[in-house]
Amino acid sequence: GAGVSQSPSNKVTEKGKDVELRCDPISGHTALYWYRQSLGQGLEFLIYFQGNSAPDKSGLPSDRFSAERTGGSVSTLTIQRTQQEDSAVYLCASSFEQGHGYTFGSGTRLTVV
Amino acid sequence: GESVGLHLPTLSVQEGDNSIINCAYSNSASDYFIWYKQESGKGPQFIIDIRSNMDKRQGQRVTVLLNKTVKHLSLQIAATQPGDSAVYFCAENIRNNFNKFYFGSGTKLNVKP
Repeated sequence: GAGVSQSPSNKVTEKGKDVELRCDPISGHTALYWYRQSLGQGLEFLIYFQGNSAPDKSGLPSDRFSAERTGGSVSTLTIQRTQQEDSAVYLCASSFEQGHGYTFGSGTRLTVV
Repeated sequence: GESVGLHLPTLSVQEGDNSIINCAYSNSASDYFIWYKQESGKGPQFIIDIRSNMDKRQGQRVTVLLNKTVKHLSLQIAATQPGDSAVYFCAENIRNNFNKFYFGSGTKLNVKP
């Protein structure tokens, strides 16, 4: 597609529920990243996918967080048993190759009530 | 650990004036830097980048300056316009660690008409 697409744009969920956030990267981009942005804060790295290599999961804050990327394209970030501190904007980005600037999606605003 | 921060959390300028947004980084192994602009409700947008073998790079109305001696990065916006109002982030990439960028907490630029 023309840009990085994320869905849903907004998600309100009850504490303890699981959520899935989706990212469609730009076609042909081999690298895909997930970041989290809390209100008024910078971006916190979560996870990185590059081609068929094992993902870099070093930024995932707990084992409630997981992500997968199917077929080297679409990625899903899953948060299990959501907590209020998970409330944030979750941003996905892709790039043609590693080490270069990303193109970000508009993010999914997650609110846990 | 890596640290990227900003000197001024909020900057107000008059339309037509030049703006300077500053960023400090702490890791001398950082060799690639990007400035992003984030408008409300949108993902960060790439503005300009610079590699550590350069000390200045110019784009359209924007200039990035890199001072490796003091580990300082700045973004200059010429003839600031209302459409420049946004949060600006600097991001740092560390040599041989292409998996992630480290982002500062951002500076909010307010352009007064």
